[in-house]
Amino acid sequence: AQSVTQLDSHVSVSEGTPVLLRCNYSSSYSPSLFWYVQHPNKGLQLLLKYTSAATLVKGINGFEAEFKKSETSFHLTKPSAHMSDAAEYFCVVSVHPNAGGTSYGKLTFGQGTILTVHP
Amino acid sequence: EAQVTQNPRYLITVTGKKLTVTCSQNMNHEYMSWYRQDPGLGLRQIYYSMNVEVTDKGDVPEGYKVSRKEKRNFPLILESPSPNQTSLYFCASSLSAGNFLSSSSGANVLTFGAGSRLTVL
Repeated sequence: AQSVTQLDSHVSVSEGTPVLLRCNYSSSYSPSLFWYVQHPNKGLQLLLKYTSAATLVKGINGFEAEFKKSETSFHLTKPSAHMSDAAEYFCVVSVHPNAGGTSYGKLTFGQGTILTVHP
Repeated sequence: EAQVTQNPRYLITVTGKKLTVTCSQNMNHEYMSWYRQDPGLGLRQIYYSMNVEVTDKGDVPEGYKVSRKEKRNFPLILESPSPNQTSLYFCASSLSAGNFLSSSSGANVLTFGAGSRLTVL
């Protein structure tokens, strides 16, 4: 079984200040973790993914996330927010392919965090 | 243009009237999946397909059926729709499930359709 909890439904920051979007996960197996972004009235776009290589993962548009197994967390950060970062962000967990079978095709999304950026 | 195409984009129907939402991709992708998006619940996976004739349940399969008779198409079937199936539905595909889980860098390894907004009265 796997689950994802995004700890904040809304985050509001000022332009130029740091962004922190929090995600905790639960997985019976070694997980693969992703962050996706959805801009208003758009489809989803992959920001970054963790698949058991480096624990600090860098993604597009200056975002990065750190996998912390001891804390079962995969928080998303960005040093300086831009207005264009305003969107909804989803943390996603899957089972690592090394777990065997086809269960790594099953993706579980968090509830989403809406990021608002103020001028 | 490489894309995932869903139809219809908008549909209002009545309880019990069978409907099918089509999903087609032109990228020769092996992996396809369906999601529903509801406010405060994020996206929830309904079904996924690792390849032709291989389908598995996601987190919320009840009330839905799928089939994968050919690689490019993955229709979502609501045999007897109910109001609690009112939602925004997304189809997505990837070269393979192993592809979107690979350690190589790159964006957009899961390609999403534009969404289908379904209302069941």
